[in-house]
Amino acid sequence: DQQVKQNSPSLSVQEGRISILNCDYTNSMFDYFLWYKKYPAEGPTFLISISSIKDKNEDGRFTVFLNKSAKHLSLHIVPSQPGDSAVYFCAGGTSYGKLTFGQGTILTVHP
Amino acid sequence: DAGVIQSPRHEVTEMGQEVTLRCKPISGHDYLFWYRQTMMRGLELLIYFNNNVPIDDSGMPEDRFSAKMPNASFSTLKIQPSEPRDSAVYFCASTAGASGEYNEQFFGPGTRLTVL
Repeated sequence: DQQVKQNSPSLSVQEGRISILNCDYTNSMFDYFLWYKKYPAEGPTFLISISSIKDKNEDGRFTVFLNKSAKHLSLHIVPSQPGDSAVYFCAGGTSYGKLTFGQGTILTVHP
Repeated sequence: DAGVIQSPRHEVTEMGQEVTLRCKPISGHDYLFWYRQTMMRGLELLIYFNNNVPIDDSGMPEDRFSAKMPNASFSTLKIQPSEPRDSAVYFCASTAGASGEYNEQFFGPGTRLTVL
Protein backbone atom coordinates (compact mmCIF):
# COMPACT_ATOMS: atom_id res chain seq x y z
CA ASP A 1 0.00 0.00 0.00
CA GLN A 2 1.97 2.97 -1.30
CA GLN A 3 0.37 5.97 0.42
CA VAL A 4 2.78 8.43 -1.18
CA LYS A 5 3.81 8.07 -4.81
CA GLN A 6 6.34 9.85 -6.96
CA ASN A 7 5.58 8.53 -10.42
CA SER A 8 8.54 10.10 -12.21
CA PRO A 9 11.77 8.25 -11.36
CA SER A 10 13.87 10.96 -12.97
CA LEU A 11 13.76 14.49 -14.36
CA SER A 12 16.33 16.34 -16.45
CA VAL A 13 16.30 20.14 -16.89
CA GLN A 14 18.57 22.87 -18.17
CA GLU A 15 20.24 25.27 -15.77
CA GLY A 16 18.12 28.39 -15.27
CA ARG A 17 14.85 26.67 -16.19
CA ILE A 18 12.10 25.53 -13.84
CA SER A 19 12.12 22.07 -12.26
CA ILE A 20 8.75 20.64 -11.25
CA LEU A 21 8.67 17.51 -9.12
CA ASN A 22 5.34 15.84 -8.45
CA CYS A 23 3.91 13.74 -5.68
CA ASP A 24 0.53 12.06 -5.16
CA TYR A 25 -0.89 10.71 -1.93
CA THR A 26 -3.87 8.63 -0.83
CA ASN A 27 -3.96 9.20 2.93
CA SER A 28 -6.23 12.13 3.81
CA MET A 29 -4.98 12.08 7.40
CA PHE A 30 -1.61 13.66 6.70
CA ASP A 31 -1.21 16.88 8.70
CA TYR A 32 1.68 18.23 6.67
CA PHE A 33 4.02 17.38 3.83
CA LEU A 34 7.78 17.66 3.61
CA TRP A 35 10.29 17.59 0.79
CA TYR A 36 13.71 16.15 1.43
CA LYS A 37 16.81 16.33 -0.74
CA LYS A 38 19.44 13.61 -0.84
CA TYR A 39 22.95 13.71 -2.25
CA PRO A 40 24.90 10.47 -2.91
CA ALA A 41 26.44 8.88 0.18
CA GLU A 42 24.56 11.27 2.48
CA GLY A 43 21.33 11.09 4.44
CA PRO A 44 18.26 13.01 3.28
CA THR A 45 18.05 16.61 4.47
CA PHE A 46 14.92 18.68 4.97
CA LEU A 47 14.13 21.18 2.22
CA ILE A 48 10.66 22.68 2.65
CA SER A 49 7.32 21.94 4.28
CA ILE A 50 3.64 22.71 3.79
CA SER A 51 0.76 22.35 6.21
CA SER A 52 -2.30 20.47 5.03
CA ILE A 53 -4.38 23.64 5.58
CA LYS A 54 -2.32 25.70 3.16
CA ASP A 55 -1.98 25.56 -0.60
CA LYS A 56 1.41 27.18 -1.09
CA ASN A 57 4.67 27.71 0.74
CA GLU A 58 7.65 29.53 -0.66
CA ASP A 59 11.28 29.63 0.45
CA GLY A 60 13.66 31.35 -1.90
CA ARG A 61 13.92 29.40 -5.14
CA PHE A 62 11.72 26.62 -3.77
CA THR A 63 7.92 26.64 -3.75
CA VAL A 64 5.63 23.79 -2.77
CA PHE A 65 2.02 23.68 -3.94
CA LEU A 66 -0.68 21.51 -2.39
CA ASN A 67 -3.94 20.55 -4.12
CA LYS A 68 -5.96 18.71 -1.48
CA SER A 69 -8.89 17.89 -3.73
CA ALA A 70 -6.53 16.14 -6.15
CA LYS A 71 -4.32 14.76 -3.35
CA HIS A 72 -1.35 16.15 -5.21
CA LEU A 73 1.64 18.26 -4.32
CA SER A 74 4.47 19.64 -6.36
CA LEU A 75 7.85 21.22 -5.73
CA HIS A 76 8.95 24.01 -8.05
CA ILE A 77 12.59 25.04 -8.24
CA VAL A 78 13.27 28.22 -10.16
CA PRO A 79 15.80 28.92 -11.43
CA SER A 80 17.34 25.45 -11.34
CA GLN A 81 21.05 25.19 -10.62
CA PRO A 82 23.51 22.31 -11.16
CA GLY A 83 23.88 22.04 -7.37
CA ASP A 84 20.20 21.12 -7.19
CA SER A 85 20.98 17.77 -8.82
CA ALA A 86 19.98 15.20 -6.22
CA VAL A 87 17.23 12.75 -5.29
CA TYR A 88 14.09 14.47 -4.00
CA PHE A 89 11.68 12.68 -1.68
CA CYS A 90 8.23 13.89 -0.71
CA ALA A 91 6.72 12.70 2.55
CA GLY A 92 3.39 12.92 4.34
CA GLY A 93 3.51 13.48 8.08
CA THR A 94 1.23 13.07 11.06
CA SER A 95 1.10 14.87 14.40
CA TYR A 96 2.89 12.04 16.19
CA GLY A 97 5.98 12.41 14.03
CA LYS A 98 5.72 9.51 11.60
CA LEU A 99 6.64 10.25 7.97
CA THR A 100 5.61 8.21 4.92
CA PHE A 101 7.97 8.74 2.00
CA GLY A 102 7.62 8.34 -1.75
CA GLN A 103 10.06 6.48 -3.96
CA GLY A 104 12.06 9.57 -4.86
CA THR A 105 12.79 11.45 -8.09
CA ILE A 106 16.31 11.90 -9.42
CA LEU A 107 16.75 15.49 -10.61
CA THR A 108 19.61 16.30 -12.97
CA VAL A 109 20.28 19.95 -13.83
CA HIS A 110 22.53 20.35 -16.84
CA PRO A 111 24.84 23.41 -17.10
CA ASP B 1 25.71 18.86 17.81
CA ALA B 2 27.27 16.08 15.73
CA GLY B 3 23.96 15.04 14.22
CA VAL B 4 22.72 11.47 13.94
CA ILE B 5 25.62 9.03 13.94
CA GLN B 6 25.46 5.64 12.25
CA SER B 7 27.98 2.84 12.14
CA PRO B 8 29.33 1.14 10.20
CA ARG B 9 29.06 3.24 7.03
CA HIS B 10 29.57 0.17 4.86
CA GLU B 11 29.03 -3.48 5.66
CA VAL B 12 29.73 -6.42 3.39
CA THR B 13 28.77 -9.83 4.67
CA GLU B 14 27.92 -13.28 3.46
CA MET B 15 24.46 -14.77 3.37
CA GLY B 16 23.51 -16.32 6.69
CA GLN B 17 25.66 -14.06 8.81
CA GLU B 18 24.32 -11.79 11.53
CA VAL B 19 24.47 -8.05 10.85
CA THR B 20 24.15 -5.31 13.45
CA LEU B 21 23.66 -1.68 12.51
CA ARG B 22 24.10 1.04 15.10
CA CYS B 23 22.64 4.50 15.62
CA LYS B 24 23.16 7.37 18.01
CA PRO B 25 20.34 9.95 17.76
CA ILE B 26 20.67 13.67 18.35
CA SER B 27 20.74 14.41 22.06
CA GLY B 28 17.33 15.44 23.36
CA HIS B 29 15.38 13.82 20.55
CA ASP B 30 12.78 11.38 21.86
CA TYR B 31 11.79 9.74 18.56
CA LEU B 32 14.05 7.39 16.61
CA PHE B 33 13.27 5.87 13.23
CA TRP B 34 14.88 3.12 11.14
CA TYR B 35 14.40 3.26 7.35
CA ARG B 36 15.55 1.16 4.42
CA GLN B 37 16.15 2.70 1.00
CA THR B 38 15.75 0.65 -2.16
CA MET B 39 15.29 1.69 -5.78
CA MET B 40 11.88 0.06 -6.01
CA ARG B 41 10.29 1.25 -2.78
CA GLY B 42 12.23 4.39 -1.92
CA LEU B 43 12.46 5.11 1.81
CA GLU B 44 10.55 2.51 3.79
CA LEU B 45 9.92 2.96 7.51
CA LEU B 46 10.90 -0.22 9.33
CA ILE B 47 10.29 0.69 12.97
CA TYR B 48 10.18 3.70 15.25
CA PHE B 49 10.65 4.33 18.95
CA ASN B 50 9.35 7.00 21.30
CA ASN B 51 11.19 7.41 24.60
CA ASN B 52 13.04 4.12 23.90
CA VAL B 53 9.78 2.17 23.47
CA PRO B 54 8.94 0.59 20.08
CA ILE B 55 5.73 2.20 18.83
CA ASP B 56 5.24 0.78 15.34
CA ASP B 57 7.19 -2.15 13.89
CA SER B 58 4.74 -2.94 11.10
CA GLY B 59 7.38 -2.14 8.50
CA MET B 60 9.83 -4.78 9.70
CA PRO B 61 9.91 -7.21 6.76
CA GLU B 62 10.13 -10.44 8.71
CA ASP B 63 11.28 -12.08 11.93
CA ARG B 64 14.89 -11.99 10.79
CA PHE B 65 14.84 -8.27 11.58
CA SER B 66 14.87 -6.94 15.13
CA ALA B 67 15.55 -3.55 16.68
CA LYS B 68 16.30 -2.37 20.17
CA MET B 69 16.77 0.92 21.95
CA PRO B 70 18.30 0.20 25.37
CA ASN B 71 18.71 3.89 26.21
CA ALA B 72 18.03 7.36 24.80
CA SER B 73 21.40 7.57 23.03
CA PHE B 74 21.69 4.20 21.29
CA SER B 75 19.73 1.90 19.01
CA THR B 76 20.53 -1.22 17.01
CA LEU B 77 18.97 -2.90 14.01
CA LYS B 78 19.88 -6.56 13.70
CA ILE B 79 19.39 -8.94 10.78
CA GLN B 80 19.85 -12.62 11.54
CA PRO B 81 20.35 -14.48 9.27
CA SER B 82 21.05 -12.01 6.48
CA GLU B 83 20.02 -12.65 2.88
CA PRO B 84 21.10 -11.04 -0.42
CA ARG B 85 17.70 -9.31 -0.74
CA ASP B 86 18.50 -7.38 2.45
CA SER B 87 21.14 -5.43 0.53
CA ALA B 88 20.14 -1.76 0.77
CA VAL B 89 21.02 1.49 2.49
CA TYR B 90 19.69 1.67 6.04
CA PHE B 91 19.05 5.07 7.60
CA CYS B 92 18.44 6.10 11.14
CA ALA B 93 16.62 9.37 11.88
CA SER B 94 15.57 11.22 15.00
CA THR B 95 13.23 14.06 15.91
CA ALA B 96 12.16 15.97 18.98
CA GLY B 97 8.51 15.05 18.43
CA ALA B 98 5.38 17.16 18.17
CA SER B 99 6.28 20.83 18.14
CA GLY B 100 5.08 23.50 15.77
CA GLU B 101 3.60 22.94 12.37
CA TYR B 102 5.63 19.90 11.39
CA ASN B 103 8.22 17.47 12.75
CA GLU B 104 11.46 17.52 10.82
CA GLN B 105 13.34 14.27 11.03
CA PHE B 106 17.13 14.46 11.00
CA PHE B 107 18.83 11.63 9.17
CA GLY B 108 22.16 9.95 9.66
CA PRO B 109 24.51 9.25 6.74
CA GLY B 110 23.25 5.70 6.35
CA THR B 111 24.80 2.23 6.34
CA ARG B 112 25.23 0.59 2.94
CA LEU B 113 24.71 -3.14 3.48
CA THR B 114 25.77 -5.70 0.90
CA VAL B 115 24.92 -9.34 1.50
CA LEU B 116 26.76 -11.70 -0.84
